[in-house]
Amino acid sequence: EVQVVESGGGLVQPGGSLKLSCVVSGFTLSDYWVTWVRRAPGKGLEWVANINPGGSEGYYADSVKGRFAILRDNDKNSLYLQMSSLRADDTAVYYCGRGGRFPVYWGQGALVTVSS
Amino acid sequence: EIVLTQSPGNLSLSPGERATLSCRASQSVGSTSLAWYQQKPGQAPRLLIYGASTRAAAIPDRFSGSGSGTDFTLTISRLEPEDFAIYYCQQYSSLPRTFGQGTRVDIK
Repeated sequence: EVQVVESGGGLVQPGGSLKLSCVVSGFTLSDYWVTWVRRAPGKGLEWVANINPGGSEGYYADSVKGRFAILRDNDKNSLYLQMSSLRADDTAVYYCGRGGRFPVYWGQGALVTVSS
Repeated sequence: EIVLTQSPGNLSLSPGERATLSCRASQSVGSTSLAWYQQKPGQAPRLLIYGASTRAAAIPDRFSGSGSGTDFTLTISRLEPEDFAIYYCQQYSSLPRTFGQGTRVDIK
């Protein structure tokens, strides 16, 4: 059974940093692209970033480029989203999904709140 | 980046009725590089359609997708109570991937 579990969310001050983790099971992570999307309160889904199977290519939404980094450790079945220079408009539930085009399997999300 | 515009923003219908949701792209996404997702409160997105018209695994056949180029449609032939949710289109023709702003389907 495919499972995707995000963790690492929480409350952080504006300008701060936070690292989300996504642990997967039930498949070989190194075979797949992986994607992060988010949904801010009262808003729609927003694509954030994705990364190729080997971890050498990461792509970002303009809204997070230069502030967020997508990383992976295939040996640990893990994906990460390193977030820095956080702003109030980064407040959202962040979802990790298997796939780089149209992810099918998603975790239940990690809530990130940016507030003083 | 490709901008996706969904219409209408809200759709109020009764169970058993037909729902027609539109997604228009600012430039061509090719013949098939479009997906549709459903999301309910507190839940992860659920893939319904990919390749503009191919249903994902375990998706009921009351959901259908059509279109190509810049104009796409998601049709729910007969709304079931569990279908009241927000629906998003997403293009994967180019990076960055983008979503439409969503159509909320609620009970009339």
